[in-house]
Amino acid sequence: QVTLKESGPGILQPSQTLSLTCTFSGFSLSTYGMGVGWIRQPSGKGLEWLANIWWDDDKYYNPSLKNRLTISKDTSNNQAFLKITNVDTADTATYYCARISPITTSFDYWGQGVMVTVSS
Amino acid sequence: DIVMTQGALPNPVPSGESVSITCRSSKSLLYSDGKTYLNWYLQRPGQSPQLLIYWMSTRASGVSDRFSGSGSGTDFTLKISGVEAEDVGVYYCQQGLELYTFGAGTKLELK
Repeated sequence: QVTLKESGPGILQPSQTLSLTCTFSGFSLSTYGMGVGWIRQPSGKGLEWLANIWWDDDKYYNPSLKNRLTISKDTSNNQAFLKITNVDTADTATYYCARISPITTSFDYWGQGVMVTVSS
Repeated sequence: DIVMTQGALPNPVPSGESVSITCRSSKSLLYSDGKTYLNWYLQRPGQSPQLLIYWMSTRASGVSDRFSGSGSGTDFTLKISGVEAEDVGVYYCQQGLELYTFGAGTKLELK
């Protein structure tokens, strides 16, 4: 059974760095073709893809945010991470992590999401 | 960057009616392996998105056969045959050919 769960600070101040953790089970990020992605959603708005990391440590970023994002993984502990530097109120959103199917490259399993508020 | 543009529905929709949601990409999503890298997701109110359709027309595991996907390289349609209460939510298309991009979403409301 595949599960993913996001965790984060809840609230942080502008200019700080947001650190998010995705803890998953039921699959391994060392399996050929496997990946994990991060997606966010401001309240009442649509989905925005942020970044993907793959089994071979290949990384891809949304070009509009690329210079602020860092994605990484800890394969042995079944975790993926996302850091966003220099946050601002526009980064207030629910952040999801999702498994990328090694067969279809779609997001086939999603976490419940974690809400992050940036406020002074 | 590939831009995804979704159409709107004439909400609210009567229960039992069939609806089609459109999505257009700014570049062909047909890859050299013969697959079209277009996915559809449903986000029900208060829930995380769930995968409905991948490779433009293949239903994900456990998805009702009332959902069907079709299209060309740049124009796509998600059809729901006989909408039910559980279909209410926002539908997103997403391309996976070059990086990933979501459409803005299409809301389905039931009458």
